[in-house]
Amino acid sequence: GAGVSQSPSNKVTEKGKDVELRCDPISGHTALYWYRQRLGQGLEFLIYFQGNSAPDKSGLPSDRFSAERTGESVSTLTIQRTQQEDSAVYLCASSLRQTIDTEAFFGQGTRLTVV
Amino acid sequence: GENVEQHPSTLSVQEGDSAVIKCTYSDSASNYFPWYKQELGKRPQLIIDIRSNVGGKKDQRIAVTLNKTAKHFSLHITETQPEDSAVYFCAANAGGTSYGKLTFGQGTILTVHP
Repeated sequence: GAGVSQSPSNKVTEKGKDVELRCDPISGHTALYWYRQRLGQGLEFLIYFQGNSAPDKSGLPSDRFSAERTGESVSTLTIQRTQQEDSAVYLCASSLRQTIDTEAFFGQGTRLTVV
Repeated sequence: GENVEQHPSTLSVQEGDSAVIKCTYSDSASNYFPWYKQELGKRPQLIIDIRSNVGGKKDQRIAVTLNKTAKHFSLHITETQPEDSAVYFCAANAGGTSYGKLTFGQGTILTVHP
């Protein structure tokens, strides 16, 4: 598989439960992003991993949200004590963090529904 | 950090007309400006990009222009077709400690009426 892969594709969870979303970036891509997209809305930045540098967590909406990345591979986004307003599509993207070619390739997203 | 503003939020045109979407950015260190198209229920995909060392780029019916002095860039679609209907996002990369990070505009919903 040459593209960005996300799992699960869909997740329905009860309010208050924790969820974990997974992203497998394109091999060799050093940069990885998580975005949230509510229905009919834009791409809300959550977090940016850039190689071995400290991640940019400035977009995480609350301390219920956290993300980890192991080296330059898999990333997981964890939402604790989910709320209904967390319902959205969570998109992961990866890119080569070179000096100028920073095209981001998106995964298909995880549609999270909190009931 | 970088701030990207995109206008208009919605755009409706007749088939065959041209469509123009404009974005402004705030980080003078930005040097890469991609445009993404997102069809309903699908992931965003790159359609064209421009780097700061050029003022414009064209690929068939789409073109982008960049004005670094004014910090704005635009997407131009000519001879629009119904299949151009989608949400379009502009983006700009960041300098500083989050070098390379892409910040997206709010999106433009383009509807092309047959």
